[in-house]
Amino acid sequence: ELKVEQNPLFLSMQEGKNYTIYCNYSTTSDRLYWYRQDPGKSLESLFVLLSNGAVKQEGRLMASLDTKARLSTLHITAAVHDLSATYFCAGGPYNTDKLIFGTGTRLQVFP
Amino acid sequence: DGGITQSPKYLFRKEGQNVTLSCEQNLNHDAMYWYRQDPGQGLRLIYYSQIVNDFQKGDIAEGYSVSREKKESFPLTVTSAQKNPTAFYLCASRTSGSYETQYFGPGTRLLVL
Repeated sequence: ELKVEQNPLFLSMQEGKNYTIYCNYSTTSDRLYWYRQDPGKSLESLFVLLSNGAVKQEGRLMASLDTKARLSTLHITAAVHDLSATYFCAGGPYNTDKLIFGTGTRLQVFP
Repeated sequence: DGGITQSPKYLFRKEGQNVTLSCEQNLNHDAMYWYRQDPGQGLRLIYYSQIVNDFQKGDIAEGYSVSREKKESFPLTVTSAQKNPTAFYLCASRTSGSYETQYFGPGTRLLVL
């Protein structure tokens, strides 16, 4: 059964700094997603990663996937306050229609 | 505008009462999902449906029921058998194709009186 773990669970970082959120998954997953959730709000899709070595970038966020290591990363470059949110990764177990979510990383960016 | 709507935004349930959460989408997506989110936690799958008149249990289906009579609609009933229903409920629908992605509605917050 697929399990998804994120770390850190909480990240407080200064504006302008770089940091990486890690997402490990336990068994084969044929797709990996990153979502953003603002407090009290729904989830917003950020990235879909389908193959080994896939890299996607949007603004200050860059996501990558290493299927051999069963690891995805979400890298934040020169953080700004607007990036403060909770970030979830989710894996899709092979040949199913389900998504298994990690517990989320709560990011707080301060001046 | 295409999207997913959920109603109500807040719902209060009394002891022993069944309540129904609405989810509608006009994106022409075949697949729809219901998730539950507890404070500080990730999402857990309750039920999903890949096609009209068919649905499957997710990881935490006990105490919940669904129907899928129309492509656009996937209502969730929280029954009195669900002893701890207080949570944020999110409905999603999925695109098709290589980069299939689940998109989420705004959510319903269920509270027990």
